[in-house]
Amino acid sequence: GESVGLHLPTLSVQEGDNSIINCAYSNSASDYFIWYKQESGKGPQFIIDIRSNMDKRQGQRVTVLLNKTVKHLSLQIAATQPGDSAVYFCAETFGANSKLTFGKGITLSVRP
Amino acid sequence: EADIYQTPRYLVIGTGKKITLECSQTMGHDKMYWYQQDPGMELHLIHYSYGVNSTEKGDLSSESTVSRIRTEHFPLTLESARPSHTSQYLCASSVSGTSGWQYFGPGTRLTVT
Repeated sequence: GESVGLHLPTLSVQEGDNSIINCAYSNSASDYFIWYKQESGKGPQFIIDIRSNMDKRQGQRVTVLLNKTVKHLSLQIAATQPGDSAVYFCAETFGANSKLTFGKGITLSVRP
Repeated sequence: EADIYQTPRYLVIGTGKKITLECSQTMGHDKMYWYQQDPGMELHLIHYSYGVNSTEKGDLSSESTVSRIRTEHFPLTLESARPSHTSQYLCASSVSGTSGWQYFGPGTRLTVT
């Protein structure tokens, strides 16, 4: 079946370094992708999204890259801070009124 | 910040009890969802609704039921709780016509003993 998965379960980075979180998706028809951040004890929060007609989108300290050729999505966080420590999920959907499919989640741990 | 609320935040109950997890949103969103999530794992969609009197089962089979009598309210009920129901339950909502950006509540952590 179709799935969205993450390559690594955990990522540890030094404070101030850049972080790159990767995600593979298998549904070539997916046309909308979202990154969520989930802190301990909270629900997921929207970080950034990208549509399939784009290959890059930038937000504040975050950039999402989409490579449709290899069905790969990545989230880059610049100058990682302790407050960035959380579980990150990628999610995909296609068409209007469609449900989201979430990946397994990767834990980002920021070392002081 | 999204205005979507879940109560209770934590619940510990015994096997066989009936429970209702509450979810309310004040944004007027048509679409609402329930997910089940184990720690550090992906979110599994168990129920969704695209409007009042509309409910559908999600991708993960669940023994729970839902109702949507009012736009803002989407409660989830377990008629007879079992230890296998121990999990975190997340409610979300989104606007119709958008491509799936969902606002999430804080979740209810359920433990069935």
